[in-house]
Order: sequence, then C-alpha cells, then structure tokens
Amino acid sequence: GAVVSQHPSRVICKSGTSVKIECRSLDFQATTMFWYRQFPKQSLMLMATSNEGSKATYEQGVEKDKFLINHASLTLSTLTVTSAHPEDSSFYICSALWGNEQFFGPGTRLTVL
Amino acid sequence: AQSVTQPDIHITVSEGASLELRCNYSYGATPYLFWYVQSPGQGLQLLLKYFSGDTLVQGIKGFEAEFKRSQSSFNLRKPSVHWSDAAEYFCAVGPYNFNKFYFGSGTKLNVKP
Repeated sequence: GAVVSQHPSRVICKSGTSVKIECRSLDFQATTMFWYRQFPKQSLMLMATSNEGSKATYEQGVEKDKFLINHASLTLSTLTVTSAHPEDSSFYICSALWGNEQFFGPGTRLTVL
Repeated sequence: AQSVTQPDIHITVSEGASLELRCNYSYGATPYLFWYVQSPGQGLQLLLKYFSGDTLVQGIKGFEAEFKRSQSSFNLRKPSVHWSDAAEYFCAVGPYNFNKFYFGSGTKLNVKP
C-alpha cells in the first residue's frame, strides 16, 4: 500500500512551452502533497505544499506563477511548469502525506531544450 | 536556521563490511528524523524514522540509526552491507505536523564485491 505515482516519468520540451506533471496517490487519500526539485548531486528542495481544495503554499524563492500547482482531488496534484526554459530542467519529485509519513513518487525528469 | 548536513558525498565499502552514514541537523524545535534511500528510477523509500523514545531505532533491510541529541546527529548504520544496498541515502528532519522536510544533500553508497 501507500503508492504514489508520477506521470510522465520523463519529458523533453521546447523552450517556451508548458509542461504538466501529475502526482497520484494510488491507494490512499492525501490531503497534503508536496513538490520537490532535485538538482544533480544535490538534495531535494521543497518547492511547495499542496493542500486539497486550497491554494498551494510556495517556498521562498519559488515563482508561483511559473510553477502552478493544483490539488483538485484527494488523490491528484498537478505541477505545471509554464513557459519552461532550460534552467527549469531538473528532476521533480512529489510526495503525499499519509498519517505521519511522506510517500514519494518516482520522479519526473524534465529537460527543456 | 533549519538544515541537514551529510558530510560524506560518496562512500565505498566492501560487501560484508559495516557501514555508517553520518547525518547532523540543525533544527529549532523537536526534530522528527528520517532516513530515506533512493534507487535509480524509484521513489524515495523510508528506511526508518525517529519521533521519540528509544534513541536507537530499527528500520527495514537491516538498517538502524541512533539519535544523539547532544551531538545533533542521527547516523545510519548497517553491520553487513549487501551489494543491493548500493544507492543514495538521504537524511531528513521535519516538524511534528510533517509539513516541511529538510533534506541533506545525500550520500551515494557504492559497494565493492
């Protein structure tokens, strides 16, 4: 149990386009989901906390207009990278909170050309 | 400021040897501490966690960790490493409501045959 999926696992897009990444909790309901970004050889950096039915809370330095987060249901949160640029290329990871534990998705590798 | 430090970026051990991965944290409240393992193509998997009580906690896959408040440390140990343990390991600290985790930069473990 407690499986979190992400789709797509890998995406390549052109500069200026928007990309949507989905995060789903497959066998539990998650009021709270988190979005992280991981740079090569670096740690996971929390981007935002997504609460079902309300606006996401963004960490300092994260552009909320660039990284749109929607948590429309208890099993789905989406991250849309708008007008993506090469510097947005990274590994994006979501997690879902269930009880006192975060369960992580496998991540999405975004490459912006 | 809240932070987690993993001083060792890479560690190589021989199969069957013992392992200790270091983690030091700085946190302004009662810390909840976690160790995760990340294998390529997979999400972070929780190895163990410490909330309170016995400072030596047992986790999955034969791992254990010891919380030392005086040293602000939460080192991960395994008495005998297996080749399948090769992965990247992350230490994390979070608050009581699990709404914001701080991760260390990770330690990549290589296992020699």
